[in-house]
Amino acid sequence: DQQVKQNSPSLSVQEGRISILNCDYTNSMFDYFLWYKKYPAEGPTFLISISSIKDKNEDGRFTVFLNKSAKHLSLHIVPSQPGDSAVYFCAARANRDDKIIFGKGTRLHILP
Amino acid sequence: NAGVMQNPRHLVRRRGQEARLRCSPMKGHSHVYWYRQLPEEGLKFMVYLQKENIIDESGMPKERFSAEFPKEGPSILRIQQVVRGDSAAYFCASSGAGTWGAEAFFGQGTRLTVV
Repeated sequence: DQQVKQNSPSLSVQEGRISILNCDYTNSMFDYFLWYKKYPAEGPTFLISISSIKDKNEDGRFTVFLNKSAKHLSLHIVPSQPGDSAVYFCAARANRDDKIIFGKGTRLHILP
Repeated sequence: NAGVMQNPRHLVRRRGQEARLRCSPMKGHSHVYWYRQLPEEGLKFMVYLQKENIIDESGMPKERFSAEFPKEGPSILRIQQVVRGDSAAYFCASSGAGTWGAEAFFGQGTRLTVV
C-alpha cells in the first residue's frame, strides 16, 4: 500500500524554464511533507519542507505547494538549472517523531 | 560539524555470510532511520530507532535482519545469512528530537553486493 505516490517516473525540462514535480498521498494523518534530491551514488539531500498548516513554502528557486483537500503537493523549481538534474523524492510523516515515508521518485532531466 | 557517517561505503558478501552496516548520526541527533533502495526503486523504510530503543520496525523483514542503536557507538544494521536479493543500497538518516522542519539528514549509503 503506497501512501506517497509520485506518478511521473521522469520529467524533462528546458534549462531556464519551470520544473513542476507532483506528489499525491493517501494518509490524512500526514502533517509534514518533505522533498529530497538525490544524485547517483550519493545519499538523499533535504531540499524543502512544509507543514500541513501552510499551503506554500518558498526557499530561493524552490517552492512547495500543499493542497490538503486534494492530498496533493508539488515542487516548483524556477528557473531550472543543469545541476537540478537528479531524482527527486517526495516524503511525508505523521508528526515530527514518526517515520518518514518516501515516494518512488521522479527523475528530472534539465535539457540545455 | 560532521554529517551522518555510514561505513563501509561498499560491502561485498558471499551468500550465507553476515553483513554489518554502521551509521553514526549527526552530533546531537538521537533518532536514526534505516532505508533500503533496490535498483530503480524508491526508498523503503526499514526501522526507526532512538537510543537503546526500537520505535518502529514495521519495514524490517521478519527474519535475518536486526538493528540496534546502543547508548554508546553507532547504529548497526545486521543482515544474517545474506542472499542475492539483499543486494541494495542501504541508507541511514538521523534527526534531532523536536526538529521543527521535521527533516532527517542522510548518509552516503552502503552499497551491499551479495555474490
